[in-house]
Amino acid sequence: SSELTQDPAVSVALGQTVRITCQGDSLRTYYASWYQQKPGQAPALVIYATNNRPSGIPDRFSGSSSGNTASLTITGAQAEDEADYHCNSRDSSGNYWVFGGGTKLTVL
Amino acid sequence: EVQLVQSGAEVKKPGEPLKISCKGSGYSFTSYWIGWVRQMPGKGLEWMGNIFPDDSDTIYSPSFQGQVTISADKSISTAYLHWSSLKASDTAMYYCARPSAQLSNAFDIWGQGTMVTVSS
Repeated sequence: SSELTQDPAVSVALGQTVRITCQGDSLRTYYASWYQQKPGQAPALVIYATNNRPSGIPDRFSGSSSGNTASLTITGAQAEDEADYHCNSRDSSGNYWVFGGGTKLTVL
Repeated sequence: EVQLVQSGAEVKKPGEPLKISCKGSGYSFTSYWIGWVRQMPGKGLEWMGNIFPDDSDTIYSPSFQGQVTISADKSISTAYLHWSSLKASDTAMYYCARPSAQLSNAFDIWGQGTMVTVSS
């Protein structure tokens, strides 16, 4: 079992806002990063250090954190945002990396 | 262009050994760790371990310690993931990825993945 917990599936209407969450005790101490994975493709980084976007990632993607929960928010979801989203951080000991179970986002 | 290029898909029988590779280019290979990540069919990502190619310092996930070996040859900018005896449960996609200290150790570059199928 993962030390980071994500909802298995979330849906959002086209153009609306959706928040995807990731819970874990280690998030009180360590930054979260988020990855988008489309079918048949490798994951791609969309948010690092809780709320920073790599170059080329649209500004409709944002991140935040509070307590033991990190969140990825998509403001104005587009059809091309339909994908699996994985959170990532360190485990509680800080010695290892860990991923959440992933959230499948459906854009209706 | 900074990239990681992985070796091709493999089909193996249980008990056979296997080594897959990940070649870095476009950056200083010895200045960054390289990680390996497993994705079983229809499942999430699992971190397996990281290696620092400059000195081959390696850290394994407890879940994978003793199950695989991670190595690197810095002279050819290549990291490896090795099994001495494959099991059917090793069937998965395997990704290499670069954790970047500049990005708080987020995995900023990913290989295209290597599909490993283990079947009798």
